[in-house]
Amino acid sequence: DGGITQSPKYLFRKEGQNVTLSCEQNLNHDAMYWYRQDPGQGLRLIYYSQIVNDFQKGDIAEGYSVSREKKESFPLTVTSAQKNPTAFYLCASSILRGGGRSSYNEQFFGPGTRLTVL
Amino acid sequence: KNEVEQSPQNLTAQEGEFITINCSYSVGISALHWLQQHPGGGIVSLFMLSSGKKKHGRLIATINIQEKHSSLHITASHPRDSAVYICAVRKTSGSRLTFGEGTQLTVNP
Repeated sequence: DGGITQSPKYLFRKEGQNVTLSCEQNLNHDAMYWYRQDPGQGLRLIYYSQIVNDFQKGDIAEGYSVSREKKESFPLTVTSAQKNPTAFYLCASSILRGGGRSSYNEQFFGPGTRLTVL
Repeated sequence: KNEVEQSPQNLTAQEGEFITINCSYSVGISALHWLQQHPGGGIVSLFMLSSGKKKHGRLIATINIQEKHSSLHITASHPRDSAVYICAVRKTSGSRLTFGEGTQLTVNP
């Protein structure tokens, strides 16, 4: 079945440790995204990538890093520099159709990873 | 002020009731999305709209571009509709989504 997988579903880490969250998609989508969700707030974009070996910062990139070595994979590393890393992290992907002012790409979401830093 | 505002924040209904969730936005958009997030956290895309109205089963989504407003309606609501419903817009100035805070819907049997 085609889809997006994120692992693990729950992750616990000690403060000061880097941790990498996995996101894989077999939908052949060009673009991939990482979002953070906190209680009472809308999803906020951390990083996104529209093509292999290229990615852009979102609204809250500080303390995070990503790589896009393969089209299918977009791992997110939460570094020790991220001051409040405990959150729910969602990965998404989409085909890029159109472009410029008319991109109607629908995003498909993974199941999410809940990270708790102790 | 958020660029995407949803109302209400929380909504409790009895099974069978007609439900409306509203979304207002303050920017120019190329598309608006309605998403559903279940308690486990996964998000499913319900609709993507750029004009008019779309229907899928008991769900109806409408958008009024001039008034910068969209509504999500659920007819004959059921406890399994209990979830967080999220409105998101794609601005005309970019390709990223901007999200509302979500509406927590609880449908009681």
